[in-house]
Amino acid sequence: SQQGEEDPQALSIQEGENATMNCSYKTSINNLQWYRQNSGRGLVHLILIRSNEREKHSGRLRVTLDTSKKSSSLLITASRAADTASYFCAISGGSYIPTFGRGTSLIVHP
Amino acid sequence: EPEVTQTPSHQVTQMGQEVILRCVPISNHLYFYWYRQILGQKVEFLVSFYNNEISEKSEIFDDQFSVERPDGSNFTLKIRSTKLEDSAMYFCASSEISVTGSPLHFGNGTRLTVT
Repeated sequence: SQQGEEDPQALSIQEGENATMNCSYKTSINNLQWYRQNSGRGLVHLILIRSNEREKHSGRLRVTLDTSKKSSSLLITASRAADTASYFCAISGGSYIPTFGRGTSLIVHP
Repeated sequence: EPEVTQTPSHQVTQMGQEVILRCVPISNHLYFYWYRQILGQKVEFLVSFYNNEISEKSEIFDDQFSVERPDGSNFTLKIRSTKLEDSAMYFCASSEISVTGSPLHFGNGTRLTVT
């Protein structure tokens, strides 16, 4: 089954900087979701973007989707120490079951 | 805000023993899921459940695994004879409608350690 592949695996930035994480996939999708996971906790849904959408915003989060390149990006603007977490993309294709990648580990230094 | 709750938070068991992981999904949700995450690795889909039956399952979900919704609120995952490689975080999730258009709401997981 297909899954998204996040890049980079790890990202370390200073508070106030922007953080960009990417997700690539190989087959067609119905939607793509981004989730956040704090250490030892469950995943929290951030944004869902459908295959016919190109960009969505939620607060300091911006998600883009380029179906021709089979890629998505998650941008966190003006990052805060509290944004430190792992971020996962989840692909829903023909089976409609979200499949997750290995995630990007983001550390934001105060 | 309603949330998915999972019990226990930690479970230690010996190889070969049966374990039951419990979940209470959000009350008006119709779709239920189990995922697992081996330490430091990706989150893997196990099974989805709708209308009192399994709707999808992965290759991981073999005959050692079963799911049940014994009443109107609980959703359980049973592992009949645990193996060392079953050690992982197990996450329950629920959604309002099919995943084609609805985000998943996850519990905080059960950490299963098989010794």
